Amino acid sequence: GDSVTQMEGPVTLSEEAFLTINCTYTATGYPSLFWYVQYPGEGLQLLLKATKADDKGSNKGFEATYRKETTSFHLEKGSVQVSDSAVYFCALSDMNRDDKIIFGKGTRLHILP
Amino acid sequence: DVKVTQSSRYLVKRTGEKVFLECVQDMDHENMFWYRQDPGLGLRLIYFSYDVKMKEKGDIPEGYSVSREKKERFSLILESASTNQTSMYLCATRPFSYEQYFGPGTRLTVT
Repeated sequence: GDSVTQMEGPVTLSEEAFLTINCTYTATGYPSLFWYVQYPGEGLQLLLKATKADDKGSNKGFEATYRKETTSFHLEKGSVQVSDSAVYFCALSDMNRDDKIIFGKGTRLHILP
Repeated sequence: DVKVTQSSRYLVKRTGEKVFLECVQDMDHENMFWYRQDPGLGLRLIYFSYDVKMKEKGDIPEGYSVSREKKERFSLILESASTNQTSMYLCATRPFSYEQYFGPGTRLTVT
């Protein structure tokens, strides 16, 4: 079945460092891809999405590009802030199949001032 | 903005108690979901519903049931709470084929 694999955390960086959180997926169809973020004590919220190959999703300085050839959707940010400390989830959904959203296990990010 | 509310942020119950977790959404979305979130395991789908009075089992339905009598309300029921059901419970709603919108979560402790 479809699946999402993302790098295990925690990831600890200093403020203003470059961030990459790797995400790869397995899917037989053409899924939409998402990154969700969970700040401490809160539910998940959508950070960005891409619905087809080569699409780039972006929001709040974060970017991810849907790479069909490498089945990847890596999250990047050029200069992280302490306020970016959170858990990040990569996810996919294929509306042409059962349309469920499948989540990765999450990557905890700590940013040090 | 979509608003998904959950009845409690924190809840402490005793083993064997019947527990109700309620989720309400204000956007008339068809699909609603209950997940539990545990360290190292990510989100696991318990139950979901595509419409009023409809329910489907997710990946870990054992020990849980659900009720959806009205479109905006989706309840998760623990018939007899056990300590291994101590977890963070997240409700989500979703219009067909779009992203999910999550509530703030209920942290349930069963003692």
